[in-house]
Amino acid sequence: AQSVTQLGSHVSVSEGALVLLRCNYSSSVPPYLFWYVQYPNQGLQLLLKYTTGATLVKGINGFEAEFKKSETSFHLTKPSAHMSDAAEYFCAVSDFANFGNEKLTFGTGTRLTIIP
Amino acid sequence: EAGVVQSPRYKIIEKKQPVAFWCNPISGHNTLYWYRQNLGQGPELLIRYENEEAVDDSQLPKDRFSAERLKGVDSTLKIQPAELGDSAVYLCASSPGGGPRGGELFFGEGSRLTVL
Repeated sequence: AQSVTQLGSHVSVSEGALVLLRCNYSSSVPPYLFWYVQYPNQGLQLLLKYTTGATLVKGINGFEAEFKKSETSFHLTKPSAHMSDAAEYFCAVSDFANFGNEKLTFGTGTRLTIIP
Repeated sequence: EAGVVQSPRYKIIEKKQPVAFWCNPISGHNTLYWYRQNLGQGPELLIRYENEEAVDDSQLPKDRFSAERLKGVDSTLKIQPAELGDSAVYLCASSPGGGPRGGELFFGEGSRLTVL
């Protein structure tokens, strides 16, 4: 069974500062990894995903994440935070071995607060 | 392209009452999911449909929860009777299937249930 652990349920950064949200995964097979964002009272929206190939993936709104197999990590970063980035962020993993079985297992989320 | 539509957005009921949630997925998406999101937690899968077949309902509390997707399009999730612990946001998502879009779930805005 796969799982993800998000370190830090709350992260605060100043506007313009680096955003770093941490995610570690556990999977017995090569994983598909995802970051989703949830704004208040809205559903989840895909930020970016890693399947195969390039380990540094770029997503929407200037976010990117790097898959590091040796560290079983998929941390999310953005060079310069914007007020509009304030939201809840969820890391998720899918079982690659069951390609087409798009069952996602989510982490508990990290709430990002941007300080003006 | 219309997104995933859910209703109602909010529902407040007394415990032991029944409640139903409706979801209309994105046109052409064969895979439909119901997730439950407790306060401060990540979404947890309740049931997944491929067309009209429930292919993963292992996390659905079958004593009080039921779901259907009769024509392989829209779906209904029912709770009867509701308990205090069922208070949560119920998220519906759909997916276009495997291939390059594998793992990309599209979420509705959710139905927030409060059980008093």
